Amino acid sequence: EDQVTQSPEALRLQEGESSSLNCSYTVSGLRGLFWYRQDPGKGPEFLFTLYSAGEEKEKERLKATLTKKESFLHITAPKPEDSATYLCAVPERGFQKLVFGTGTRLLVSP
Amino acid sequence: DGGITQSPKYLFRKEGQNVTLSCEQNLNHDAMYWYRQDPGQGLRLIYYSQIVNDFQKGDIAEGYSVSREKKESFPLTVTSAQKNPTAFYLCASSSLQGPGANVLTFGAGSRLTVL
Repeated sequence: EDQVTQSPEALRLQEGESSSLNCSYTVSGLRGLFWYRQDPGKGPEFLFTLYSAGEEKEKERLKATLTKKESFLHITAPKPEDSATYLCAVPERGFQKLVFGTGTRLLVSP
Repeated sequence: DGGITQSPKYLFRKEGQNVTLSCEQNLNHDAMYWYRQDPGQGLRLIYYSQIVNDFQKGDIAEGYSVSREKKESFPLTVTSAQKNPTAFYLCASSSLQGPGANVLTFGAGSRLTVL
């Protein structure tokens, strides 16, 4: 069964303290890995899609990278507004559905 | 602006009652999905539909039903057969072709509480 594991479950950072979130997956023939941001009580918001090992994408203070077994979401000099839960997901069943990890809750303190 | 509208945002239900959650999209997406989110668990797929008048069960379809009579609409009914319906329900849609293919756009969610 395809699985997605995210770590850590929760992460507390000081403003400006850079760190990385991890998403590891077990799926044969990866057809993309998706990162989403979710604020409390709201629906997830799409951030990135990565398709092949070595690929990187950036958006403001966030950079996502992909290897054959895992993806990292690097957060550089975070601000309090980056506080959210970050979800990763991979497709299965020929892209008919996404399998989500349980997320990393990030709290950035001023 | 294009997007997905879910209603109601909050819903309270007595045990034994069926309730229907609405989901409407104006993004012209072919595919629509219903996910359930519980604390400490990832999003779990309930039902999905890739074309009008057709839908498939996801991982946790028991106690739920859906319909897809229009491309824009994908309502979810939580029946009395669902043992533990209290949860946050998320509707999503995606195109199946083009540069944004399979990127899910989510609604704001509906929080159902069973009293």
